[in-house]
Parts: sequence; structure tokens; C-alpha cells
Amino acid sequence: DTAVSQTPKYLVTQMGNDKSIKCEQNLGHDTMYWYKQDSKKFLKIMFSYNNKELIINETVPNRFSPKSPDKAHLNLHINSLELGDSAVYFCASSRTSGNQPQHFGDGTRLSIL
Amino acid sequence: SQQGEEDPQALSIQEGENATMNCSYKTSINNLQWYRQNSGRGLVHLILIRSNEREKHSGRLRVTLDTSKKSSSLLITASRAADTASYFCATGTNAGKSTFGDGTTLTVKP
Repeated sequence: DTAVSQTPKYLVTQMGNDKSIKCEQNLGHDTMYWYKQDSKKFLKIMFSYNNKELIINETVPNRFSPKSPDKAHLNLHINSLELGDSAVYFCASSRTSGNQPQHFGDGTRLSIL
Repeated sequence: SQQGEEDPQALSIQEGENATMNCSYKTSINNLQWYRQNSGRGLVHLILIRSNEREKHSGRLRVTLDTSKKSSSLLITASRAADTASYFCATGTNAGKSTFGDGTTLTVKP
């Protein structure tokens, strides 16, 4: 009964490949997020969706494309992976948008060879 | 530099001691939140303080907010080894976006 679950937990792949990370929340929240955490633990927001609509889109290469099929799911597809994409990617959700407390998944550690 | 910056970057204390970490920010905020991150896990929300509040308590946690100085502090009293983690502040603005700081890594030695 994990609140925010993301899969896979680990992803090791070659440069140039395309990969997806999935996220699901069972909290009934309206808003979901994707964050990237680098090796120095700096956490940067990438995208946010509210009721399946994109509300935050930070300066992220367009190789990254989020998709929200319903408000309980927010997936992240990454094309043409680069070495600099190596990081831990966190999915989070909150009851509504607007600075609410966020519930985080345990992250997906992406390593590019 | 970032909206939220924690200080110190790393803190090491003995079990039973108090731990204080600070967060400074640059622009006006609606609220400020503190989160904990254990190694290999996601962030866990600890406490939210609104811009019109000055102090908030939750168990062994005490958070203060000084909007005139654009700073907040998180105090953990009577620390335990299980408090070993990274602690992040997140500032929320009118735009509805929360921005996380760099974090303070706390080590509590048994």
C-alpha cells in the first residue's frame, strides 16, 4: 500500500537509448511532480501536473516528455539519453497545487554508461 | 544561487544533543516547509510554516520563521541515531512552486 510508487528503482542503460519511468500515487491527490536530484543532492523540479494538465515546465531539454494518462499517474519518457542525465529521479504528489506538502516516491536511480 | 540555502552543509553531533539547521531565502514566500531524506529514500514532509507564523512545533521538532531576515531554522531536540538524514527546506511562492535548498546532512552518533 505504498503511497507514491515509481518503477523501476534502478535503470542502467547506454547513451543514446530511450527509457521511461512510471509513477503512480494512491493518495487521491490532484497534483504530481517530477524532480531530478544530482550527485550533490540538489533537488530540481522538472514538471508538475494538476488533474492531468501541465502547470510547471522548468527549463528541461525537450528530450524529456512527461505524460499523465490520469491524475493518479505521471510517467516520464526520456529520449536519446546523455551522460548528464545520470541522477536520481523522484516522483511526488500533493493534495492540490500551490505549495502543499508533497509525498515522494523512493526514486529511480538512472545510470548512463 | 538558489531560493533556499541550508546552513551548515553538514552537522555531526552526539545522541541526546540538539541539532539546529538554518535556511535562508531571497524572495517573498507563502510558506516554508522542511523535509527529511534518509539515504536511498524519498523526501518525507516534516512541517510547514506559513509566512504569517513565527514558530511551529511538532514532537521534537521546532521551526522558526523570520520573514524580515528571510530565514528559517529547524531545531531537533534530544537527537537520536535515527535522526541521521539530510534535511531540506522548501520555499513556496505565490506562483505555486516550491523550491528546495541544497540540504544539511545530519549525522547523529550513538
